[in-house]
Parts: sequence; C-alpha cells; structure tokens
Amino acid sequence: GAGVSQSPSNKVTEKGKDVELRCDPISGHTALYWYRQSLGQGLEFLIYFQGNSAPDKSGLPSDRFSAERTGGSVSTLTIQRTQQEDSAVYLCASSLTGRPEAFFGQGTRLTVV
Amino acid sequence: AQSVTQPDIHITVSEGASLELRCNYSYGATPYLFWYVQSPGQGLQLLLKYFSGDTLVQGIKGFEAEFKRSQSSFNLRKPSVHWSDAAEYFCAVGAQSNYQLIWGAGTKLIIKP
Repeated sequence: GAGVSQSPSNKVTEKGKDVELRCDPISGHTALYWYRQSLGQGLEFLIYFQGNSAPDKSGLPSDRFSAERTGGSVSTLTIQRTQQEDSAVYLCASSLTGRPEAFFGQGTRLTVV
Repeated sequence: AQSVTQPDIHITVSEGASLELRCNYSYGATPYLFWYVQSPGQGLQLLLKYFSGDTLVQGIKGFEAEFKRSQSSFNLRKPSVHWSDAAEYFCAVGAQSNYQLIWGAGTKLIIKP
C-alpha cells in the first residue's frame, strides 16, 4: 500500500482480555518497528523486526507483550491479560533496509477499562 | 548516555510569527537527526532529516532545521507559522549502524489567532 496501515484505529477492551493489533508496512520495507505512546509522553520503543533476523524485543515491557511478523510483511502485536496501564497509542513504523528514517502508521488507540 | 532533550513542553506562537523549536542531543556516534510532526489523532510524519553535508536542511511545509555540532543542537525553524502547524513536534537521533532512534519527549505547538 501507499503507507503504513494499522488496524483497528481504536480498541476498547476489558481488563484481563487479550488484544491483537495489526500493522501492514509499506511494500518493500524490510524493517518494522512497534512503539508505544502514552498520554503526553514521547515514544517508547517496543520491538524491531529486520527481514528474517531475530527481532529485537528489548523494549517489550513485560511477558504479556509479544509480536510476530509473518512472511516478512504484516505484523501483529499481542497483549495478553490487558491492564489499565496498557492504555496508550500503539504506533507501527517501517523503513527500508539500512535507512533509519521511519514511516509511521496512524496508530491504534487502546483503552483498557 | 544517549539522549534527546526538547526543553520546551509547550510553545505558543501567534499566527504569522516565526517559530523555533529547540532540540539538543547527546550521542556517541555521528548522528542522523530527524524532526517529526504529529497532528492530533494522527501518526508521525517526517518533516526533515540530516545525515551529512549542508548543515541547514529544508523540509516539508516550509520548515527548516540547522545542525550545529559544537552545540549538539538541531533546532527546527519556520519563518511564519500557520494555524495548521498546531501539532506536536518530535526530535530524534540515530545512526546508520543503529536502527533504534532516540526520541525527545516532544514540544506541543499552540497557535494563537
């Protein structure tokens, strides 16, 4: 597609439920990032995928968070047993190999009630 | 330690007035520098970037930024702001060898009519 696409754009879930957030990167972009942006805060790095290499998961805040990238394209971020502190905007970005500038999707606003 | 500082959390500027948003960084390697803009409810859009060469870089929407190595700064400027420039602006630093950008906390720009 023309840009990074994220779905859903908004998600309200009950505490304790699992959620899946989807990211479809720009075609041809081998690098994919997930970030979290809490209200009034900057960006918190979560995870990075580059091609077929093992992902950098160093930013995942707990073992309730996981992500996968299938076929080197679409990625899913899963949050298990959601907590209220997980409420935030989750941003996905992609970039070309060797290029640090990232292109962002519109984000998924997650609200845990 | 690597860091990016945006000293102003909020800035209020009258429409038509000039703008300067400050960004200071601490980074061990030769930096790649970025400014992104985030309009309400939107993802981040790349305004401009500096990799090497001319230290004054031009970006989209009439923005420019100047890299000053001696001051470890990369300030964003615009000669005359428009109401549509109201948004949050993020500075980030990275390196070619390191995909993980270091982000500032953002500066929220408010435009007075």
